[in-house]
Amino acid sequence: DTGVSQNPRHKITKRGQNVTFRCDPISEHNRLYWYRQTLGQGPEFLTYFQNEAQLEKSRLLSDRFSAERPKGSFSTLEIQRTEQGDSAMYLCASSLVQGAYNEQFFGPGTRLTVL
Amino acid sequence: RKEVEQDPGPFNVPEGATVAFNCTYSNSASQSFFWYRQDCRKEPKLLMSVYSSGNEDGRFTAQLNRASQYISLLIRDSKLSDSATYLCVVNQKTSYDKVIFGPGTSLSVIP
Repeated sequence: DTGVSQNPRHKITKRGQNVTFRCDPISEHNRLYWYRQTLGQGPEFLTYFQNEAQLEKSRLLSDRFSAERPKGSFSTLEIQRTEQGDSAMYLCASSLVQGAYNEQFFGPGTRLTVL
Repeated sequence: RKEVEQDPGPFNVPEGATVAFNCTYSNSASQSFFWYRQDCRKEPKLLMSVYSSGNEDGRFTAQLNRASQYISLLIRDSKLSDSATYLCVVNQKTSYDKVIFGPGTSLSVIP
């Protein structure tokens, strides 16, 4: 399977714990995005990378959130001191940006539940 | 005003019907546009890129009106398998690539 993969698929944690999610993009893609989605809403942009450089972070991304893409391949998203409001689906997408078009392909997501 | 807005839905239509979804965007700097579909508890999947001249893929037709800042998606001869949420996506190029998803419009195709 050469699509975007994410691990774990589900994570249940207690408030205050740290969690880390991993995303493996499609291998030739240079862009990697992280989104958060809650029920009944479209995905909300969190951050994105061009190769290993993190180019933008949303204002939604508090200091408790950090993302890395150390070698321009896989990426990790860490949430420190989780809160119940962090419960959501965390989606990763990758794309090969060519000119104006940026068609993103999504992974299956990691569903986080904070108790 | 939200940057990307869609018909609130839900749309409930019989099999074989034609249904149209509209999406409006607020920033005239928007450069590229897409429609994604999302099945319940699944990830979004790219349905169509929207080209400036409009484009068609089988039963699906996408149109872009830059002057009025809206995008539409038309589905002809609806199938049960078309039941999903349809997400409008707008890509703006400012100092960085800003990708904005609309809230989605839910479609249920009824036998």
